[in-house]
Amino acid sequence: AQSVTQLDSQVPVFEEAPVELRCNYSSSVSVYLFWYVQYPNQGLQLLLKYLSGSTLVKGINGFEAEFNKSQTSFHLRKPSVHISDTAEYFCAVSELWAAGNKLTFGGGTRVLVKP
Amino acid sequence: DTGVSQDPRHKITKRGQNVTFRCDPISEHNRLYWYRQTLGQGPEFLTYFQNEAQLEKSRLLSDRFSAERPKGSFSTLEIQRTEQGDSAMYLCASSPVTQGANTEAFFGQGTRLTVV
Repeated sequence: AQSVTQLDSQVPVFEEAPVELRCNYSSSVSVYLFWYVQYPNQGLQLLLKYLSGSTLVKGINGFEAEFNKSQTSFHLRKPSVHISDTAEYFCAVSELWAAGNKLTFGGGTRVLVKP
Repeated sequence: DTGVSQDPRHKITKRGQNVTFRCDPISEHNRLYWYRQTLGQGPEFLTYFQNEAQLEKSRLLSDRFSAERPKGSFSTLEIQRTEQGDSAMYLCASSPVTQGANTEAFFGQGTRLTVV
C-alpha cells in the first residue's frame, strides 16, 4: 500500500514570488508520481508526472518538480506565481506495473496568491 | 471529444433516498475510475472498470454503493439509502490502456452530493 503526505495544507504567497509545495510518499514498491491542480468547482488537471528518466520534470504553466528517491519526495515548484495559480494542488502516486493505475492522493495544498 | 462528462454537477437529496450519477468517459478510453473527495481532503479511490468489467473495489465502497459500466462506455454510480456521511464530490476519470507504461487519467468536473 502507498501513502502520500503533503506537508502544508495551505500556502499563501505573493504574486511573482516563488512557491514550493512539498510532497513525501511511502511505498513498498516503485511508483509513478503525479501533481494535479484543482480550480474551484472543477475536476483535476494533470500538471506533470514522473515515470522514469530525468528526476527534474517540467509541466504545464511553468511548474516543475524534482523526484528524490532517497528522500521519497516529489516537491513542486514555480519560480514566479500568478494570481491565476490560486488553486488546490494534489500530489499522487500509482504503483509501477500495477493493473489499473489507480491513484493514491495526498490531502492537498491550497495555494492562495495575493496581489 | 469534450473530455470526461459527469451528470449531474450538483445533487441535493434527503437522507435515506437513492441517488445515481452518470459518467461519460473520453471515447475509446478502456479504463474508467470513480473517486470520492470529501471537503478538505484528496480524492480517494472507489472502483475502476476495464471495459465493462469491474476489476477492483475499495473497502470504502460499502454495500450501499454499486457501480456499473454495462456496455463498456458510460458508467453509473448508485448510492442507496444515502447518509449524511455520503456528502462529497464524486469524481470520474478515464484513461486508455497502454502496455507497460502508466497513462494519464483525465478527470471530469465531478458531481457534488449533499445529503440533508
